[in-house]
Amino acid sequence: GAGVSQSPSNKVTEKGKDVELRCDPISGHTALYWYRQSLGQGLEFLIYFQGNSAPDKSGLPSDRFSAERTGGSVSTLTIQRTQQEDSAVYLCASSLMLAGGLDTQYFGPGTRLTVL
Amino acid sequence: GQNIDQPTEMTATEGAIVQINCTYQTSGFNGLFWYQQHAGEAPTFLSYNVLDGLEEKGRFSSFLSRSKGYSYLLLKELQMKDSASYLCAVRGNSGAGSYQLTFGKGTKLSVIP
Repeated sequence: GAGVSQSPSNKVTEKGKDVELRCDPISGHTALYWYRQSLGQGLEFLIYFQGNSAPDKSGLPSDRFSAERTGGSVSTLTIQRTQQEDSAVYLCASSLMLAGGLDTQYFGPGTRLTVL
Repeated sequence: GQNIDQPTEMTATEGAIVQINCTYQTSGFNGLFWYQQHAGEAPTFLSYNVLDGLEEKGRFSSFLSRSKGYSYLLLKELQMKDSASYLCAVRGNSGAGSYQLTFGKGTKLSVIP
């Protein structure tokens, strides 16, 4: 596609429910990243995929968070038993994963998650 | 780990020049990025520095000093549409850190008439 797309754009859920957030990266981009942006905070790295594998899951806040990527394309971020502190904008980015030098990450518009 | 500091807010006048500073402490360094983020929108790439010096791109320039752990973004001939948050981000140089970006909290720039 022309850019990174994410769905839904907004999600309101009740505490304790599970949610799934979806990301469609730019076609041909090997790497896919998930970040979280809370009010007044910088972007917080959650996880990245190289192809379908996730070499680094260190940023996931708890075991309630999981992510997968299939076919080297679409990724879903799942949050189980949501808590109010999970409320944030979840941003996805993709890149070509160039080995050195400039490897620009292109961001999607994000999913605004509100947990009541 | 990485620690990145930038001012929270700045205000400048239309037509003027503004400099947004960013300092970082890192365990490894493989480039510094600046992104622009308008309210409610995705961050968009502005510039990349990996070597010391100034990179100029139209009205925007970015400077890097690796020895000082310091960068700035310079915006000239400010326009109202430049009102946005400006995010400084650093990429590490080993393992997973060589791909993920560590972001500062962003500087919210308000351009006034």
